[in-house]
Amino acid sequence: AQSVTQLGSHVSVSEGALVLLRCNYSSSVPPYLFWYVQYPNQGLQLLLKYTTGATLVKGINGFEAEFKKSETSFHLTKPSAHMSDAAEYFCAVSANTGNQFYFGTGTSLTVIP
Amino acid sequence: GAGVSQSPSNKVTEKGKDVELRCDPISGHTALYWYRQRLGQGLEFLIYFQGNSAPDKSGLPSDRFSAERTGESVSTLTIQRTQQEDSAVYLCASSYTGILKNIQYFGAGTRLSVL
Repeated sequence: AQSVTQLGSHVSVSEGALVLLRCNYSSSVPPYLFWYVQYPNQGLQLLLKYTTGATLVKGINGFEAEFKKSETSFHLTKPSAHMSDAAEYFCAVSANTGNQFYFGTGTSLTVIP
Repeated sequence: GAGVSQSPSNKVTEKGKDVELRCDPISGHTALYWYRQRLGQGLEFLIYFQGNSAPDKSGLPSDRFSAERTGESVSTLTIQRTQQEDSAVYLCASSYTGILKNIQYFGAGTRLSVL
């Protein structure tokens, strides 16, 4: 079985500051890991994903995430926050052999000018 | 269009009425998912369709909820005798199978309000 925990339902950062959104997962099989972003009144958009290979994955809009198996983590980072990054971010896990996706409860990112 | 389309975008209904929500997946996507997103919460898996296989209904919260999909095309999610706790955004996603099957593409959702 898989599950996802996102620490911090709300994160505020100043414009230009580092963004760090935390995600820890549990999985009994090798996981596929995802970060999605949701802007107000819109559906979810894929930011980045980890399936196999390089553990540091780069996504759109300057975001990246690192798969750390020993820590069962997949934290999302961006070196410098922009006002347009304000949104809801969801971490998700899927088994490489399964069909279901398990989403975290989301982290709302506020960027302070 | 090129993306997943959901209709209506907003639906207001009275308690006890039935509602039907529609999802048009991306052409060629054999897999289709329905999720429920309550206010301030994450996505809750409802049901999964894969081609002509029997759907995975393990996430449906009660027998008031049902969904259909004909082949690899449109899907409808039906909620009978709606309750106030059914108020949520209902999201649909579709994906390919095979090595690309894990990338889901989401629609903008249907916001359901039960009065």
